[in-house]
Amino acid sequence: ETGVTQSPTHLIKTRGQQVTLRCSSQSGHNTVSWYQQALGQGPQFIFQYYREEENGRGNFPPRFSGLQFPNYSSELNVNALELDDSALYLCASSKGSPGGYEQYFGPGTRLTVT
Amino acid sequence: GQNIDQPTEMTATEGAIVQINCTYQTSGFNGLFWYQQHAGEAPTFLSYNVLDGLEEKGRFSSFLSRSKGYSYLLLKELQMKDSASYLCAVEGANQAGTALIFGKGTTLSVSS
Repeated sequence: ETGVTQSPTHLIKTRGQQVTLRCSSQSGHNTVSWYQQALGQGPQFIFQYYREEENGRGNFPPRFSGLQFPNYSSELNVNALELDDSALYLCASSKGSPGGYEQYFGPGTRLTVT
Repeated sequence: GQNIDQPTEMTATEGAIVQINCTYQTSGFNGLFWYQQHAGEAPTFLSYNVLDGLEEKGRFSSFLSRSKGYSYLLLKELQMKDSASYLCAVEGANQAGTALIFGKGTTLSVSS
């Protein structure tokens, strides 16, 4: 196990609702990245936080937003849920800059939107 | 744009050797990672290449050619537990921090 935790494990929401997913990074890591993984696909990068600032964003709409806290834990918020948002949401922590560090993944949150 | 290609599926038998190829075209490059993902679980780190050449780690080796935009993961002495999805990922592909851009993954099935 990596020491990265996520909550909740599973979640069922209705279209149009809002959801908050949480991630605690591994001790000593200051960077958290969020990924969305649809069934049978590779993870897709949503955004990354480094020392509480957004440090890059993938091709996701603004209704996907996030936060990183002083203890480097992080939240992913999704507003106005759509059916296509159903996926496994993974967070990964790493030591951050300058790069080349392994990203440690949490077990993920399985979100189902009905 | 970014493009990371790897075969969708591969099959092999126990004890055999298998090579999973990955080609990439990205606007930036800080290194290439391979991850293993068992069904329903999180990806786990296998290897990292930033310079050309071969990195060996027990039964697993990974090769990188930056000029060709090409990498492969070599798995030797295959075991049933190696049945999983293998993900190729480029770091810094879109200069978004140290984000990883993943391919779709190669599902490897190992039979006895």
